[in-house]
Amino acid sequence: DTAVSQTPKYLVTQMGNDKSIKCEQNLGHDTMYWYKQDSKKFLKIMFSYNNKELIINETVPNRFSPKSPDKAHLNLHINSLELGDSAVYFCASSQGPSGSHEQYFGPGTRLTVT
Amino acid sequence: SQQGEEDPQALSIQEGENATMNCSYKTSINNLQWYRQNSGRGLVHLILIRSNEREKHSGRLRVTLDTSKKSSSLLITASRAADTASYFCATGAGSYQLTFGKGTKLSVIP
Repeated sequence: DTAVSQTPKYLVTQMGNDKSIKCEQNLGHDTMYWYKQDSKKFLKIMFSYNNKELIINETVPNRFSPKSPDKAHLNLHINSLELGDSAVYFCASSQGPSGSHEQYFGPGTRLTVT
Repeated sequence: SQQGEEDPQALSIQEGENATMNCSYKTSINNLQWYRQNSGRGLVHLILIRSNEREKHSGRLRVTLDTSKKSSSLLITASRAADTASYFCATGAGSYQLTFGKGTKLSVIP
């Protein structure tokens, strides 16, 4: 059984479009995250949610809007896509604060903006 | 902000040799974690070592932590081709955030 799943795995779209990436975890974790990994493999936190509430919102353009309908889901909606948004986006979850707990990562969504 | 910094950036060894990767960080931490990422995949957690621990083992993995030097090392003994991956250290300060380094790319040649 997949612990953290993301859809779609690949997303190719044109500049200016709006797209969403979905994430679900079946681990019963309270905390979920979105990360962006750039072409140099640098992994940067974007958002952190605990019990459906936003905990961390790093310096991310407000074109990015996370939504957590319940503890098991954290979706990422991106408006007006730009070339610089091309990257791999990872969803992750942890039992508690990641400063004290390991994180479980999804397989990633490779977003290509043309 | 970036916290961990792995060294070396890339490492190439023969199968059966040991691989050592280092991580340095700048501020106080609650724990330090190591993750592996195979090409095209998500990160997989390897080991978590708390700030009051000095050494931890898991199978062929050995992690050390020196909080006075703000550094950690990951040793993989008797490496296998399947160990080929990027390895990341991540620091946690007790909050909801882990800060990742840029990773060490390990290549194990059969």
